[in-house]
Amino acid sequence: QKEVEQNSGPLSVPEGAIASLNCTYSDRGSQSFFWYRQYSGKSPELIMSIYSNGDKEDGRFTAQLNKASQYVSLLIRDSQPSDSATYLCAVQGGKLIFGQGTELSVKP
Amino acid sequence: KAGVTQTPRYLIKTRGQQVTLSCSPISGHRSVSWYQQTPGQGLQFLFEYFSETQRNKGNFPGRFSGRQFSNSRSEMNVSTLELGDSALYLCASSLEDSQETQYFGPGTRLLVL
Repeated sequence: QKEVEQNSGPLSVPEGAIASLNCTYSDRGSQSFFWYRQYSGKSPELIMSIYSNGDKEDGRFTAQLNKASQYVSLLIRDSQPSDSATYLCAVQGGKLIFGQGTELSVKP
Repeated sequence: KAGVTQTPRYLIKTRGQQVTLSCSPISGHRSVSWYQQTPGQGLQFLFEYFSETQRNKGNFPGRFSGRQFSNSRSEMNVSTLELGDSALYLCASSLEDSQETQYFGPGTRLLVL
């Protein structure tokens, strides 16, 4: 079992829709959780960090964490074509472990 | 504040050679981590340095090494390059602890021929 698993993509949504990205992790001791966005040919940039159970909202982005289920998700409301990128879930235990990423395509 | 900088941005080497990559963290950041990104394996952790000491290490062979200087700048070295070392090498910095948010540099794209 991979340490961090993301739902396989690519995920295609129409402009204005909600995009839902999911991630599960295996280390129950993990304390910090991050979502990064990576455009093709660029380095990852941080979108959200979340440390406690529940929801955390920042603009059109909402991160959700459920430590009991070892699950973290990212919702993108009112998706825009500029949101088209690969989204990386990262989980911090002793080191930062990344999922394989989910490619999101937002169609105009 | 200036972001994380990495040099060089692009490199072409041949098998058997060695390479040194450099990373300057965000001012005030003391933790520097290195990652390798390939299409097949994704982003994989190489090592983390803090106060000139390697604090954590990923599952890479000994050909991959690094160091950190007193000004927090870091270098990584790959000896005896193999074709499979072709990748994007990313450096990320954080304030004190890699548990905190890490900010990535633009990366060095290495091609081994």
